[in-house]
Amino acid sequence: QSVLTQPPSVSGAPGQRLTISCTGSSSNIGALNDVKWYQQLPGKAPKLIIYDNTYRPSGVPDRFSGSKSGTSASLAISGLQAEDEADYYCQSYETSLGGFYVFGTGTKVTVL
Amino acid sequence: QVQLQESGPGLVKPSETLSLTCTVSGDSITNYHWNWIRQSPGKGPEWIAFIYHSGNTKYNPSLKSRVTISVDTSKNQFALKLSSVTPADTAMYYCARLYSYGSVLWFDPWGQGTLVTVSS
Repeated sequence: QSVLTQPPSVSGAPGQRLTISCTGSSSNIGALNDVKWYQQLPGKAPKLIIYDNTYRPSGVPDRFSGSKSGTSASLAISGLQAEDEADYYCQSYETSLGGFYVFGTGTKVTVL
Repeated sequence: QVQLQESGPGLVKPSETLSLTCTVSGDSITNYHWNWIRQSPGKGPEWIAFIYHSGNTKYNPSLKSRVTISVDTSKNQFALKLSSVTPADTAMYYCARLYSYGSVLWFDPWGQGTLVTVSS
């Protein structure tokens, strides 16, 4: 039921820069609703790493950065580290049908 | 430190009702909105519903006809009931707080999750 589309997987060598896209529509990301990003390590619950499109909670390394343009958003990981291997999900708010929270399809990041 | 803990049966038969409880510690349930979110194997999370201590609720339209969310402020708990379950409802079920920072909202923290399997 995900209305936010992400690439299934991306990979990179340690130290490289990766970007993950999140494509929505005019009724969610494009409706001026901010985007959050969560990191999910194996067997764990998702953890917030980006809020309000670009801001990092305390304790999240500045290697993680977010951006938003129109109906899409992106998460960038620079200086890729082995500990960044995880699933990443974008999240926003869908304004149709009375409004509800939506997550992306998810992207598996593999560190080569 | 706020912590959430899900509890309930790990196995539910098809057509029956799934019932889960989330116990909140380190924060009063009269603050914030409290949520249920599920994640099927290999899929992204799916928001189910939230409740405020006043009883104000909001549901995912795709599940609304089968979901009931309730709150017990005396126990600092909130609960989920999902009726007429099928194997498609097999998932990890998480409870989470909807934290607010100004006008920005996000889910934090989450419980560790409880796996519910629907099978006869």
